[in-house]
Amino acid sequence: EIVMTQSPATLSLSPGERATLSCRASQSISSNLAWYQQKPGQAPRLLIYDTSTRATGVPARFSGSGSGTEFTLTISSLQSEDFAVYYCQQYKNWPPLTFGGGTKVEIK
Amino acid sequence: EVQLLESGGGLVQPGGSLRLSCAASGFTFSTYAMYWVRQAPGQGLEYVSGINAGGRNTHYAASVKGRFTISRDNSKNTLYLQMSSLRAEDTAVYYCAKKNAGDYPFDNWGRGTLVSVSS
Repeated sequence: EIVMTQSPATLSLSPGERATLSCRASQSISSNLAWYQQKPGQAPRLLIYDTSTRATGVPARFSGSGSGTEFTLTISSLQSEDFAVYYCQQYKNWPPLTFGGGTKVEIK
Repeated sequence: EVQLLESGGGLVQPGGSLRLSCAASGFTFSTYAMYWVRQAPGQGLEYVSGINAGGRNTHYAASVKGRFTISRDNSKNTLYLQMSSLRAEDTAVYYCAKKNAGDYPFDNWGRGTLVSVSS
């Protein structure tokens, strides 16, 4: 089973700042990496798949990069609606499809 | 519009059983693999189980294998999760989710149903 590790656990930033979230896989997953956003009381929402492809309706301020075992989600300028928890997920070697532990982006 | 609506959650005693349902609409249910993912209170996402489009191939997380059974009724566009020998650590919101066949992520999720295991 591939283990996904996210860092940091919490990111405290102000609106307008740039957010950089990291995700590491325990072995190479090529580009089979997705990012989800989850707000309190809501289901996760797919943001990015195949490392860097934005899902339908996702604003351009969200971008993904990386390959192999190291991946990054960048939010170029945080908006109020972006404060949430973000999860990465690998879908290269499954089942099971495994998730990282999440990064909470909170208002500083 | 794709809709996934879970139901069947509730409070159950340790050792008890519960069956969750997920009613699907807005897509051709019988052509998609379906999955259950759970989230314990304040915790992250955990894959629980998956079933292929035809219903013959299933997979379970080690934490639930032998206690949970996933199934589907393509004539009713409904996914099920039969849970037995429930433990306190099974307390979570249970989401159903769909993905395209092959190496793709979950593209649609339901709103979830809460299962609480407590005496």
